[in-house]
Amino acid sequence: AQSVTQPDIHITVSEGASLELRCNYSYGATPYLFWYVQSPGQGLQLLLKYFSGDTLVQGIKGFEAEFKRSQSSFNLRKPSVHWSDAAEYFCAPFAGSGGGADGLTFGKGTHLIIQP
Amino acid sequence: TAGITQAPTSQILAAGRSMTLRCTQDMRHNAMYWYRQDLGLGLRLIHYSNTAGTTGKGEVPDGYSVSRANTDDFPLTLASAVPSQTSVYFCASSDQTSGSMDTQYFGPGTRLTVL
Repeated sequence: AQSVTQPDIHITVSEGASLELRCNYSYGATPYLFWYVQSPGQGLQLLLKYFSGDTLVQGIKGFEAEFKRSQSSFNLRKPSVHWSDAAEYFCAPFAGSGGGADGLTFGKGTHLIIQP
Repeated sequence: TAGITQAPTSQILAAGRSMTLRCTQDMRHNAMYWYRQDLGLGLRLIHYSNTAGTTGKGEVPDGYSVSRANTDDFPLTLASAVPSQTSVYFCASSDQTSGSMDTQYFGPGTRLTVL
C-alpha cells in the first residue's frame, strides 16, 4: 500500500541553527513529491516540489529538499532557521495516473518550534 | 488575485443540521479538492473534481457530498452533521490540464464545530 511517513511529530530548533525534516514514502514507482508549510491559523503554502531531474530542489524561504531514490526519502532542509519558520510542515507524495486529480496524500506533519 | 476563498470562516452547527461550505477560485483551475484536517491525522481528502460536471470520492467521503456546476465553485455539503465532522476544512485547486499533478493552492479554511 502507498504511504508517507514523517517520523518526527515535533522538532525544536534554536534560531540560527540548521534544520532537517524527514519524509519517507512507500510507493511502487517514484511519485511526485511536495513539501507544504502551514503557519498557525493559515492554509497551506507550497515550499517546493520534485517531479524529475536534479534531485536537489530549491524552494521558497531558503528551503531545499533532496530526493534520494535508494532511501525513498525527500528530506527538507534549511541551513539557518528564523523564528518565522515556526509552523507545521507536510510532506505530500502524489502517484496518480496521468491526468488523475485524486488529490495528494499528506504526511501527518512535523510541528517545528523555534527557540530564541 | 484572490486565489481561493472559503466561507464561512468558522461555524458552530447543531448535530443533525445540514450545512454547505462554500469554495470559489478565480484561477480557472480545472481540478478542485476538499480536505479535512484533524490533529494528529494531517490532511485527508474528502472529495475531488477533475473538471466541471465530474466529482470523485477521496479517502473519507462518508457524510459529505459535493457538486461542480462550473469551473469556479466547489461547495461541500454536510446533509446531517455529526460531532465527528468537527474539523478544519480546506478547499484547494490545481491546474491539471498538463496531465500531471501540479501545485495545489489552498484556501484559508473553514473551522466547523458540530455540537
